[in-house]
Amino acid sequence: GAGVSQSPSNKVTEKGKDVELRCDPISGHTALYWYRQRLGQGLEFLIYFQGNSAPDKSGLPSDRFSAERTGESVSTLTIQRTQQEDSAVYLCASSTQGQRNNSPLHFGNGTRLTVT
Amino acid sequence: GDSVTQMEGPVTLSEEAFLTINCTYTATGYPSLFWYVQYPGEGLQLLLKATKADDKGSNKGFEATYRKETTSFHLEKGSVQVSDSAVYFCALRNTRTGAGSYQLTFGKGTKLSVIP
Repeated sequence: GAGVSQSPSNKVTEKGKDVELRCDPISGHTALYWYRQRLGQGLEFLIYFQGNSAPDKSGLPSDRFSAERTGESVSTLTIQRTQQEDSAVYLCASSTQGQRNNSPLHFGNGTRLTVT
Repeated sequence: GDSVTQMEGPVTLSEEAFLTINCTYTATGYPSLFWYVQYPGEGLQLLLKATKADDKGSNKGFEATYRKETTSFHLEKGSVQVSDSAVYFCALRNTRTGAGSYQLTFGKGTKLSVIP
């Protein structure tokens, strides 16, 4: 079946502009995660959705970052007034949640954001 | 908070050499442990997992044993191939309930290059 799909795959934007990154999770996956991967760094957790609500936004680096999810499906990560330090690969992942912690996350290929 | 530490890369090996990538963790409770792999140009994929102490995860010739006494989950393969060249990430997922309970915490990744 289809995996996690992210768009666009690449985005170049000027400093100060707003960007929207989209994630289509695997159908039926109730949990959705956004991570950021800076060059040469590990993955930083940004936000977690269970259904359409976000019980954990602790990883969002500033109030310029926001995310929403609708229909327990598509999620959009929005970065306002982009800065050069926002340049990174933004990864989306989904999983079947349940009450178990061992269900794996399925990742998309990411959106590479470059802020010039 | 939870954390994962894995050996710094890059690691360069000749084909058929033995591979070890060290991973240690810090976490409360009883986390599940994972190795993810990112092949060039592709998204993160689950390689193997272990959900409790002394479990051994295995896949594609790779193995890792969950050692609670040493808080480690080292990745090993007896004979690497050129096609194993990728970035490997160690990760944990904790059993704590509440917001953020099911996010993955990743190490920084170890780049492996296998030369013929």
